[in-house]
Amino acid sequence: QVQLVQSGAEVKKPGASVKVSCKTLGYTFTGYYMHWVRQAPGQGLEWLGRINPNTSNADWPQKFQGRVTMTLDTSTSTAYMELTRLTSDDTAVYYCVRDAVKWGNWFDPWGQGTLVTVSS
Amino acid sequence: DIQMTQSPASLSASVGDRVTITCRASQDTGYSVAWYQQKPGEVPRLVMHYASSLQRGVPSRFSGSGSGTDFTLTISSLEPEDVATYYCQSYVNARSIAFGQGTRLEI
Repeated sequence: QVQLVQSGAEVKKPGASVKVSCKTLGYTFTGYYMHWVRQAPGQGLEWLGRINPNTSNADWPQKFQGRVTMTLDTSTSTAYMELTRLTSDDTAVYYCVRDAVKWGNWFDPWGQGTLVTVSS
Repeated sequence: DIQMTQSPASLSASVGDRVTITCRASQDTGYSVAWYQQKPGEVPRLVMHYASSLQRGVPSRFSGSGSGTDFTLTISSLEPEDVATYYCQSYVNARSIAFGQGTRLEI
């Protein structure tokens, strides 16, 4: 059974950074893109980017250029997403999500989510 | 960047009604659209991909259609457990991965 298990909730001050982990179980880690999606309170879904576990190449929207970093630890089948220079607008639940099929870019399954709260 | 626009933003219907949600893409996506269901307090769940391919385990009352820029998600006979927010998503390539703003479905 494929599972994505994320790290716990974080509270950060404005200007700080946060790093969220996503431990994967039940499939070949290098076979599927890993994506990150966030959802601000009461709002919709926003794609943060993806990383290719074969090459470690990542793509993300221009909006997050210079602020987001996606990395991998293939020895533990864990993906990481780091977001820097946090503001209150970054308060959201952050999800890691896997390609439903190899290199498909639609999402299944989803991690349980990690709440990141940015507050002074 | 691609924009996905859903309508309506919210919808109230009765049990047994036929419900249709629309998603319009700002550029041609072929058939590369997925739909997700998010029930209150839960993680989103994949419902449909390739515009009309039903995800395993999703009830057959759900169907999808469309191509190019216009897509629909239809529930043929609404059940109480279908109360949720529904999102469309484009995925032609990395530059076109984007979600619609969501449609909140209530009974």
